[in-house]
Amino acid sequence: KAGVTQTPRYLIKTRGQQVTLSCSPISGHRSVSWYQQTPGQGLQFLFEYFSETQRNKGNFPGRFSGRQFSNSRSEMNVSTLELGDSALYLCASSLGDRVHHNEQFFGPGTRLTVL
Amino acid sequence: QKEVEQDPGPLSVPEGAIVSLNCTYSNSAFQYFMWYRQYSRKGPELLMYTYSSGNKEDGRFTAQVDKSSKYISLFIRDSQPSDSATYLCAMSLQGAQKLVFGQGTRLTINP
Repeated sequence: KAGVTQTPRYLIKTRGQQVTLSCSPISGHRSVSWYQQTPGQGLQFLFEYFSETQRNKGNFPGRFSGRQFSNSRSEMNVSTLELGDSALYLCASSLGDRVHHNEQFFGPGTRLTVL
Repeated sequence: QKEVEQDPGPLSVPEGAIVSLNCTYSNSAFQYFMWYRQYSRKGPELLMYTYSSGNKEDGRFTAQVDKSSKYISLFIRDSQPSDSATYLCAMSLQGAQKLVFGQGTRLTINP
């Protein structure tokens, strides 16, 4: 069974640009969550999508947005990039069942550097 | 104050030692408690999860949750150099996919 894949793996952008990151979940998983990982703040939840709908959102500015497609693949977009957006962006997929605990499987991440 | 506190280390121990990692949290509504391991340039992988209070053992790893103290621990017995990684505690509410992580503890096992 293929794991969670994220593209691209590495990205370099300049301030003010925008960027789109992609995540393909494990087959059969309908929930995709995005996290930002930095040395200072650790892993922080950005948002979760389930069946093409945003189901939960973290405390990030509106420059961070996402979407999910009918095949459960997800993208996140960051507009007007700032230096502080440099981070490892991780996506995690799960079945999304709200009654039982679902293990979340993480992808390898996209390393974004903003210059 | 962060919702989940974890000593970032780094922690360095000799091979074969027992390692103790822990986290404290402030939100008493957390129901699921997890430990993830993250190797360099990789995403986190789930080691263990526990529902509510109690102990759980899996091979050389033991997870403990004390909800009354809002304190969770991970013990690693007979530590190996391959255990060298960053260990992250994470918690979630009932029915929620959102995970709240600790800062992560960087662990090195010296041969």
